[in-house]
Amino acid sequence: DAGVTQSPTHLIKTRGQQVTLRCSPKSGHDTVSWYQQALGQGPQFIFQYYEEEERQRGNFPDRFSGHQFPNYSSELNVNALLLGDSALYLCASSIRGFGSRQQYFGPGTRLTVT
Amino acid sequence: GEDVEQSLFLSVREGDSSVINCTYTDSSSTYLYWYKQEPGAGLQLLTYIFSNMDMKQDQRLTVLLNKKDKHLSLRIADTQTGDSAIYFCAESSTPISGGYNKLIFGAGTRLAVHP
Repeated sequence: DAGVTQSPTHLIKTRGQQVTLRCSPKSGHDTVSWYQQALGQGPQFIFQYYEEEERQRGNFPDRFSGHQFPNYSSELNVNALLLGDSALYLCASSIRGFGSRQQYFGPGTRLTVT
Repeated sequence: GEDVEQSLFLSVREGDSSVINCTYTDSSSTYLYWYKQEPGAGLQLLTYIFSNMDMKQDQRLTVLLNKKDKHLSLRIADTQTGDSAIYFCAESSTPISGGYNKLIFGAGTRLAVHP
């Protein structure tokens, strides 16, 4: 059973560019969340997708957007990159609904903005 | 507001017990979690506890919850060098009936295990 997978593993972009990160959830999971983890800090919630719609959003600007596909996979897009967007971006999957409270994380995509 | 705080560093001798502490502010928290992160890796869910429980034990791990003081701890028995990692406390206010479970994380406690 494959766990949560993310691509790419590492990415280097220039300030002002745009980036797309991808996530495939654990088998059987229908909800995908994205988190940003800056160096030396805990993960910060960006947003959560279920049934192809954004259901919750953290305190991130509109430059951060996402998408969920019918197969539950998801993309995170960041426009007009800033140096401060350099971080590890983590995807987590879970099952919405009563009884399941566990979010499983992927290995992350490390984004460096120069 | 929502806030989770942890001490930043803990050093223990191999074979001893480790206790990592966490405090949170959200009184509506329904679930509290412990995650482990090894260098260059994602987060591994270790255990979680429902807010109406006081204690949960899972092999070498014991979680204690003091809801009155909003204090959570993780005890690792017989700590091994492989336990060296960063441990994150997180809380969620997911409704009991289900819903969207946003996690609020602390900054992490770096556990160093030495011989």
